Amino acid sequence: NAGVTQTPKFQVLKTGQSMTLQCAQDMNHEYMSWYRQDPGMGLRLIHYSVGAGITDQGEVPNGYNVSRSTTEDFPLRLLSAAPSQTSVYFCASSYLPDTEAFFGQGTRLTVV
Amino acid sequence: QQQVKQSPQSLIVQKGGISIINCAYENTAFDYFPWYQQFPGKGPALLIAIRPDVSEKKEGRFTISFNKSAKQFSLHIMDSQPGDSATYFCAARYGQGNLIFGKGTKLSVKP
Repeated sequence: NAGVTQTPKFQVLKTGQSMTLQCAQDMNHEYMSWYRQDPGMGLRLIHYSVGAGITDQGEVPNGYNVSRSTTEDFPLRLLSAAPSQTSVYFCASSYLPDTEAFFGQGTRLTVV
Repeated sequence: QQQVKQSPQSLIVQKGGISIINCAYENTAFDYFPWYQQFPGKGPALLIAIRPDVSEKKEGRFTISFNKSAKQFSLHIMDSQPGDSATYFCAARYGQGNLIFGKGTKLSVKP
C-alpha cells in the first residue's frame, strides 16, 4: 500500500530556478491537493483538483502551477523559485471531499 | 471568515493527564471538522472527525466536543501518553471540500 508518494523528499534550489514536485496516489482518489506548511502557520492550500483535467486555486497559489492529466498524478510546478517559497510541501488525496485526506511524507524545499 | 483559530500553540501535560486543544470558527457553512496528528518528519494523519449534527464523538482516548451555537470544537486526549507527543491540527471543510487548517498545537507529554 503505497498511498500518497511525494518526490523528492528534500530539494535545494537557487532563486529563479524552476522545478516540479511530484505527487502520485494509488487509491483511485478523485480529490487531490497541495499544501505548504510553514512554522506557526499551519497548512495552507496552494492548489487542488476534483478530478482529471480540473484544477483550481487555493489560498496561496501565486508562483505555483498545477495540472491533472491522470487520476493518479498531481504535480506542482514552481515557475521561478523565490526564498519565500522555502517551506515543507504536502500533497494529499481523498475519495470524496469530506472523507479522510491521506497525506504524503512531504517535500522540504529550500530556496537560496 | 474562513479562518479556524486554534489554541494553545503549545501544551505540556504529564503522563496520565488530560490534554485539551480548542478551535473556533466563524463560517457557519463549515460542515466537516477533522483533527489531524503530525509527528516530526511525517505528513499529517487523520485522528478523528465530527459533523455539526453531533455534539460529541469518542474514539478510544480521543474525544471531539462540538458546540454549534458557540462555533467551537475541541479535542480531548484522556490518559495522555508520551507517544501522543505530536502536533495537532484542527480543520474545517467548506465548498468543494477544501480543508482550512488551524495553526497547530504542539503537545508534549512528560513521563
